[in-house]
Amino acid sequence: QKEVEQNSGPLSVPEGAIASLNCTYSDRVSQSFFWYRQYSGKSPELIMSIYSNGDKEDGRFTAQLNKASQYVSLLIRDSQPSDSATYLCAPQTGANNLFFGTGTRLTVIP
Amino acid sequence: KAGVTQTPRYLIKTRGQQVTLSCSPISGHRSVSWYQQTPGQGLQFLFEYFSETQRNKGNFPGRFSGRQFSNSRSEMNVSTLELGDSALYLCASSLSTGYSSNSPLHFGNGTRLTVT
Repeated sequence: QKEVEQNSGPLSVPEGAIASLNCTYSDRVSQSFFWYRQYSGKSPELIMSIYSNGDKEDGRFTAQLNKASQYVSLLIRDSQPSDSATYLCAPQTGANNLFFGTGTRLTVIP
Repeated sequence: KAGVTQTPRYLIKTRGQQVTLSCSPISGHRSVSWYQQTPGQGLQFLFEYFSETQRNKGNFPGRFSGRQFSNSRSEMNVSTLELGDSALYLCASSLSTGYSSNSPLHFGNGTRLTVT
């Protein structure tokens, strides 16, 4: 059974701070990794993808991947109240499935 | 480009009934996946279709079935509804072609099913 573990939160950070979201996965063959953001009552939207070990930056978001440790993280710099949402980690297996973690609920306090 | 479209947005059904949900993928996307989302279980994979064939299936009972049409549109059917089937059902499409792919999923707005 493939598993994805995320720090369940809720995670609260003050506006302007860095929010750090972590995820570990059990399936060693996972090659692609995605972070989705889901606002309450809405569907998940893709915010980051990462395929190689190391860091990938996109605006205020940085994804970090360490395949040897089976660990992927998402950093949000200069957090804004609009970043308040649930963040879902999703490794993709060779079977073209995404297995989602249960998500980390982030609240950015103004 | 239009996104993934799911209909209907809301459904209320009674135990024992059946329901059909519809999904139109993003133009050019041939892979369609279905997920069930509940507060306690998170996003659970139901199945994935590609070129009218079910490629992958999650761990759900046979009451849950689906199909895909030649235009890539997909339907999901749940028969003999149970109270526990109340959930948000999400459809997602991707550019995936091969069995192994790094294409992300793009989700529709979902269908909220309530079983009473």
